[in-house]
Amino acid sequence: EAGVVQSPRYKIIEKKQPVAFWCNPISGHNTLYWYLQNLGQGPELLIRYENEEAVDDSQLPKDRFSAERLKGVDSTLKIQPAELGDSAVYLCASSPPPLYNEQFFGPGTRLTVL
Amino acid sequence: GEDVEQSLFLSVREGDSSVINCTYTDSSSTYLYWYKQEPGAGLQLLTYIFSNMDMKQDQRLTVLLNKKDKHLSLRIADTQTGDSAIYFCAESGGSGNTGKLIFGQGTTLQVKP
Repeated sequence: EAGVVQSPRYKIIEKKQPVAFWCNPISGHNTLYWYLQNLGQGPELLIRYENEEAVDDSQLPKDRFSAERLKGVDSTLKIQPAELGDSAVYLCASSPPPLYNEQFFGPGTRLTVL
Repeated sequence: GEDVEQSLFLSVREGDSSVINCTYTDSSSTYLYWYKQEPGAGLQLLTYIFSNMDMKQDQRLTVLLNKKDKHLSLRIADTQTGDSAIYFCAESGGSGNTGKLIFGQGTTLQVKP
């Protein structure tokens, strides 16, 4: 069974540029999560989807971050414009219903903002 | 608020036991988790314990939960060089099983041959 797929794995951009990250969860996993992991820290939840509905986006900085999961499968996380402090690893995870306690993580996208 | 604390670094010799400790603040957490992260990889769920249990054993892994002190530990028996990684403790934030995980900052385990 394929795991959570993320692309790109690495991205380097200049500040004020837009950037987008893509995630394909494990087949059949209705719940999808985006996490932010700063260097030397644990992941922090940005947004959680149940199918196509964002059920917890309280930690998403909505002035510059947006996310979508249009058909309840793949998801895209966007930053526009990127700032230096956005340099981090962006992790996607998914879990099967209703087993929220089993979250499967992708390898992440490492973003560097110059 | 919700907070999870871990020591930052642990070094052991191959074959020894490793014990990684964690404290948390949310007494209503339903589940507590241990994840492993190898360099350049995502997090891998190692094991989890339901809050009404005080111990769980899974092969070389033993999880101990002291709910009164809000203390969680992960013991790895016969530690191998392949166990070198960052280990994250996490709690399920809020009461119930909502999918929200609060992670600690991670403990780097170094296993010396």
